[in-house]
Amino acid sequence: GQQVMQIPQYQHVQEGEDFTTYCNSSTTLSNIQWYKQRPGGHPVFLIQLVKSGEVKKQKRLTFQFGEAKKNSSLHITATQTTDVGTYFCAEPSMNRDDKIIFGKGTRLHILP
Amino acid sequence: DTGVSQNPRHKITKRGQNVTFRCDPISEHNRLYWYRQTLGQGPEFLTYFQNEAQLEKSRLLSDRFSAERPKGSFSTLEIQRTEQGDSAMYLCASSKQGVHEQFFGPGTRLTVL
Repeated sequence: GQQVMQIPQYQHVQEGEDFTTYCNSSTTLSNIQWYKQRPGGHPVFLIQLVKSGEVKKQKRLTFQFGEAKKNSSLHITATQTTDVGTYFCAEPSMNRDDKIIFGKGTRLHILP
Repeated sequence: DTGVSQNPRHKITKRGQNVTFRCDPISEHNRLYWYRQTLGQGPEFLTYFQNEAQLEKSRLLSDRFSAERPKGSFSTLEIQRTEQGDSAMYLCASSKQGVHEQFFGPGTRLTVL
């Protein structure tokens, strides 16, 4: 079945350090979404990227969509304890655009 | 609270019993999705609805699983003859047609003893 590759699986950073997670697909995507799940919580939508080479920022978070629309990244500048959680990318299903497939996520742990 | 709600939040059952979960989506959302999530994994798609029509059911889902959305509002997910491998968090999400953003409920945590 369709799989979304996301790396790394885990990341421990000191508070104040930067963090990046990467998402790769074998196919050209129409869009990609990012979600955040806090420990014990449910996934919360962060953003959707649609255009080739698109870069979007939300405060300390920077999202990029690759030129070939096959990969994406999420970069957090100067991490804070509130950034703790698992970050998932999600890509549209190959057979139905209104259905999304989640990656395994990158779990971010902040060391104080 | 106008978000997605799920009941119950926790369910402990014995192997072989049937369980039913309910999801109430955001009222104006006509798309409703069910996912299963286990520890360290992303949400795994189970099935989804547009209004009352079930559009797709995962091939990974056995015949013990069934979902309904009879009036195009709330949905129920039933698992018959539960097995220990069914233990997971069952998440519901809803969205508007044409909008990809999905809004998730808090989930129902199922434990099968």
